[in-house]
Amino acid sequence: DTAVSQTPKYLVTQMGNDKSIKCEQNLGHDTMYWYKQDSKKFLKIMFSYNNKELIINETVPNRFSPKSPDKAHLNLHINSLELGDSAVYFCASSRGGGKETQYFGPGTRLLVL
Amino acid sequence: GQSLEQPSEVTAVEGAIVQINCTYQTSGFYGLSWYQQHDGGAPTFLSYNALDGLEETGRFSSFLSRSDSYGYLLLQELQMKDSASYFCAVRDRGGNKLTFGTGTQLKVEL
Repeated sequence: DTAVSQTPKYLVTQMGNDKSIKCEQNLGHDTMYWYKQDSKKFLKIMFSYNNKELIINETVPNRFSPKSPDKAHLNLHINSLELGDSAVYFCASSRGGGKETQYFGPGTRLLVL
Repeated sequence: GQSLEQPSEVTAVEGAIVQINCTYQTSGFYGLSWYQQHDGGAPTFLSYNALDGLEETGRFSSFLSRSDSYGYLLLQELQMKDSASYFCAVRDRGGNKLTFGTGTQLKVEL
């Protein structure tokens, strides 16, 4: 069974569209994250939720809105997509509360045309 | 804020030993992690140091010196499959936030 899964794996869309990426973890973790990895492989935290509560909100355009319906799911909705949003988006989870290891999903490769 | 520096690229031959360095500047420090990422893949956890010294896990070891704000990942008996990007990451005292370094591309050659 996949520990952290994301859908879709690939997403190609036009500028101005709205899209969502879904993430699920079956590890029983309390904390989930969204990261963005750009073309230079720089990996940057965007958001983090602990038990459905937002705990990290980095400087991200408000076109990006995370939602956590329960602690096993964290979705990312992006409005009015821009060319610069093209990147790989990784979801991750951890036990939280001082536990270090983060487990990453396979990534969603977003290309905005 | 946090900033981490790593060499951008390292090349070594199969069977050799390679060391990937990481220096960091942080406003608060809780520990240093290392992650491996193969091309097209997801980052996977390798090791974590919260205290000074060496942690060994099989062919991989990680070292931390908090007084020098410095750590390294040591890979022994290199194999072709070790060709990947390696990221150091600092965890701040605030909680769960990891700040990643720019990554080191390791190429293992025959």
